[in-house]
Amino acid sequence: DAGITQSPRHKVTETGTPVTLRCHQTENHRYMYWYRQDPGHGLRLIHYSYGVKDTDKGEVSDGYSVSRSKTEDFLLTLESATSSQTSVYFCAIREGGVYEQYFGPGTRLTVT
Amino acid sequence: AQTVTQSQPEMSVQEAETVTLSCTYDTSESNYYLFWYKQPPSRQMILVIRQEAYKQQNATENRFSVNFQKAAKSFSLKISDSQLGDTAMYFCAFPRDQGAQKLVFGQGTRLTINP
Repeated sequence: DAGITQSPRHKVTETGTPVTLRCHQTENHRYMYWYRQDPGHGLRLIHYSYGVKDTDKGEVSDGYSVSRSKTEDFLLTLESATSSQTSVYFCAIREGGVYEQYFGPGTRLTVT
Repeated sequence: AQTVTQSQPEMSVQEAETVTLSCTYDTSESNYYLFWYKQPPSRQMILVIRQEAYKQQNATENRFSVNFQKAAKSFSLKISDSQLGDTAMYFCAFPRDQGAQKLVFGQGTRLTINP
C-alpha cells in the first residue's frame, strides 16, 4: 500500500459539466501523475507534477487541467466534460531518485 | 517516437505451467528502466518487476523473471509455476522521458490461468 487514495472512486456526470478528481498521498513524494486507461490503449499520461505548483503536460492533455497547491494533493479537472473523456483515471506517485511509480485504486468516470 | 508493443492480446495456460509474455519497445536512449505491471480484476495497478537497461543480468522476483534483450529491444516476462491469482492484465511500460519518467504503456496482455 503506497498510501494513495483517489476520490471519488466512481462518478457519472453529464456532458458539459465540470468535474474534478482528487489524488491524495501520504508519502510526501515529489512526483505525481495522472493517467487514463481505455480499452486497447493501455494507460496514457495526461499530466504530471514535479513539485508544488510545478506541472507539465502528457500525451493526452487536451481538455484537462491540473493543480497542485500542496505536496499531498494533485487535482485533475475536466473543465467541460465530453463523452470521449469517459475512462478510468489513475493517479501515480514516485519519489525522486527512484524510478518505479505506484498507482492509486483508480476512478471510473462516465460522461453521459 | 518511443513506443511499446505487446503483440499478444490474450493468453491462456493451465495452472502450474510456465508462460512468457512478450514486449518490444523503441528508443534511442542508452540507459533506462523497463517495468511490468499487473492489473487483476480489482483494477489495481501492481508493479511486478523492473529491469535496468545497463544491467546485463535479468531481473527476478520470486516466480517472475524477465528476458531482457537490449539489442533487440525486447523485454519479455516469464511466469513460472503459474497460479490462479496470476490471472490479470499485464502491461509493459517504458519511460518516454528519463528525467520525468513519463511512462508509455503497451496495450496489455490478458492472461488467464485455468485450474
